[in-house]
Amino acid sequence: EIVMTQSPATLSVSPGERATLSCRASQGITSNLAWYQQKPGQAPRLLVYRASTRATGIPARFSGSGSGTEFTLTISSLQSEDFAVYYCHQYNNWPPRGFTFGPGTRVDI
Amino acid sequence: EVQLVESGGGLVPPGGSLRLSCPASGFTLRGYAMHWVRQAPGKGLEYVSAISGNGGSIYYADSVKGRFSIFRDNSKNTLFLQMSSLRPEDTAVYYCVKGVATMTGPFDYWGQGTLVTVSS
Repeated sequence: EIVMTQSPATLSVSPGERATLSCRASQGITSNLAWYQQKPGQAPRLLVYRASTRATGIPARFSGSGSGTEFTLTISSLQSEDFAVYYCHQYNNWPPRGFTFGPGTRVDI
Repeated sequence: EVQLVESGGGLVPPGGSLRLSCPASGFTLRGYAMHWVRQAPGKGLEYVSAISGNGGSIYYADSVKGRFSIFRDNSKNTLFLQMSSLRPEDTAVYYCVKGVATMTGPFDYWGQGTLVTVSS
């Protein structure tokens, strides 16, 4: 199974500041990585796929980068609605030993 | 507009069974991989099960293998998860998730989730 790790576990940021979230895969997954945002009481929402492609309707302040084992999600200028938990997700392994998620990074004010 | 609306969750004793349903609208199920992902209270996301667009490929996480079964009714455009021999550690919100045409792709639409509580 490919193990995904995320850092930091919690990121405290002020509105308007830049946030950088990291995700690491235990083995290479090329660019088969997505990022999701989850707010309390809501389902996750797809932000980025193929490591760097924004999903439909996602603001340009969200950007993804990386390939192989190291990935980054950057929020260029945090808005109040961006405070949430962010998960990375590898979908490289099929037939899967498991599509796996990272443990999440909470972005707090 | 794509919509996924899970139902069938509830309180069940250990060893019991439940069937989750997920009728889909706005797209045809058989053209896409479909997935179940769960989230225990206060925890992260756990991938549970998947079925390919043609139904020929099915996956189960080790934690549910032999106890859960994923299947589709194409005539009703509905995804199901049959859960048996339920354990307290299966307690979670279960999300029905739409994938892409191939198995290796992101999850672009999620249902609102249905809560399964396994407790005596």
